[in-house]
Amino acid sequence: GAVVSQHPSRVICKSGTSVKIECRSLDFQATTMFWYRQFPKQSLMLMATSNEGSKATYEQGVEKDKFLINHASLTLSTLTVTSAHPEDSSFYICSAGTSSSYNSPLHFGNGTRLTVT
Amino acid sequence: AQKITQTQPGMFVQEKEAVTLDCTYDTSDPSYGLFWYKQPSSGEMIFLIYQGSYDQQNATEGRYSLNFQKARKSANLVISASQLGDSAMYFCAFLSGGYQKVTFGTGTKLQVIP
Repeated sequence: GAVVSQHPSRVICKSGTSVKIECRSLDFQATTMFWYRQFPKQSLMLMATSNEGSKATYEQGVEKDKFLINHASLTLSTLTVTSAHPEDSSFYICSAGTSSSYNSPLHFGNGTRLTVT
Repeated sequence: AQKITQTQPGMFVQEKEAVTLDCTYDTSDPSYGLFWYKQPSSGEMIFLIYQGSYDQQNATEGRYSLNFQKARKSANLVISASQLGDSAMYFCAFLSGGYQKVTFGTGTKLQVIP
């Protein structure tokens, strides 16, 4: 089956620093990847849609300059949390689909737990 | 805009019993897909089962089955013969045929009791 790898699984950083999270589709090409944020005991909130070779599409209320997304190839998308603050601490998870069809399930990475001190 | 609702924040089930997790949705799109994901405490999202809006039969995957009632706009997940390892959060998700965005429900926390 389709495998999505996300790295790192956990990261602790100091306030003011930047953190990069990688999302890779290992055995398929993904023209589109999605980045979600999940607060404790809550559902997944879509942050942005990452499109290969073009700018990401951000959801309303998500700061583009804080959450930088780069989709440099068909198998790699990165999310950079810039100038991180404690309120950015959360669980971030990426997903990718093997096609754009509505009958194609999204496959998820294992997520990254970010803690900003 | 699509809306997806899970009305059960938490459920308990006895080991080896069956349990139904509810999911309703609201859309005017004729083409859509419904998915169920399992999220253990470790955080990963595990795809369980899929139902397409044009599928005539209810989807089944091992111990998982989807009770799809299109007229009622419901897509309930049925887990048969519950196991302790089934304890997790379960999310219902909706994908419209015209978009790639997946909308998730608020989730149901299932706890299997020995």
